[in-house]
Amino acid sequence: EAGVVQSPRYKIIEKKQPVAFWCNPISGHNTLYWYLQNLGQGPELLIRYENEEAVDDSQLPKDRFSAERLKGVDSTLKIQPAELGDSAVYLCASSLQGAPGELFFGEGSRLTVL
Amino acid sequence: GENVEQHPSTLSVQEGDSAVIKCTYSDSASNYFPWYKQELGKGPQLIIDIRSNVGEKKDQRIAVTLNKTAKHFSLHITETQPEDSAVYFCAAVEGTYKYIFGTGTRLKVLA
Repeated sequence: EAGVVQSPRYKIIEKKQPVAFWCNPISGHNTLYWYLQNLGQGPELLIRYENEEAVDDSQLPKDRFSAERLKGVDSTLKIQPAELGDSAVYLCASSLQGAPGELFFGEGSRLTVL
Repeated sequence: GENVEQHPSTLSVQEGDSAVIKCTYSDSASNYFPWYKQELGKGPQLIIDIRSNVGEKKDQRIAVTLNKTAKHFSLHITETQPEDSAVYFCAAVEGTYKYIFGTGTRLKVLA
């Protein structure tokens, strides 16, 4: 069974440019998460989806970040415009609904903003 | 809100020795405590977890202990091998989805 797929794996952009990351979760996983991982830190939640509904976006900087999960499967995370401090790894994870359990992470998208 | 502290930040052990990583949490409502291993360039992967109604769980060379009264939990790896070298994250989970991760421990197993 395929795991969580993310693309691109690496992206280098200049500040003020837009960037988008894509995530395909494990088939059947209704819950999808976007996490931010700064160097030497643990993942921090940006947004959580239950199907196509964003049920927790309290940590998403909405002035420049946006996300969508059309049809409740794939998801896209966008940053516009990017700032130097956005350089980090953006991790997508998925899980089954219900009692807390395993998060299945993708390999991440590493963003470098110059 | 929940706060998770993890120690040490780096740990070097000789191959075959044991490694112990400790985490403390602040919110007594947390009920699930997973441990993730992250290799370079990869996403975190679950290696073991424990729920609040259990005090200890073991899976081959790895074990986790939970002390709810003291609000701390630990990961124990015995007979370490070079492939155990990675960054390990603990997490405390409140409810069904509120995962708060520790800051990670970089484990290096010396051959």
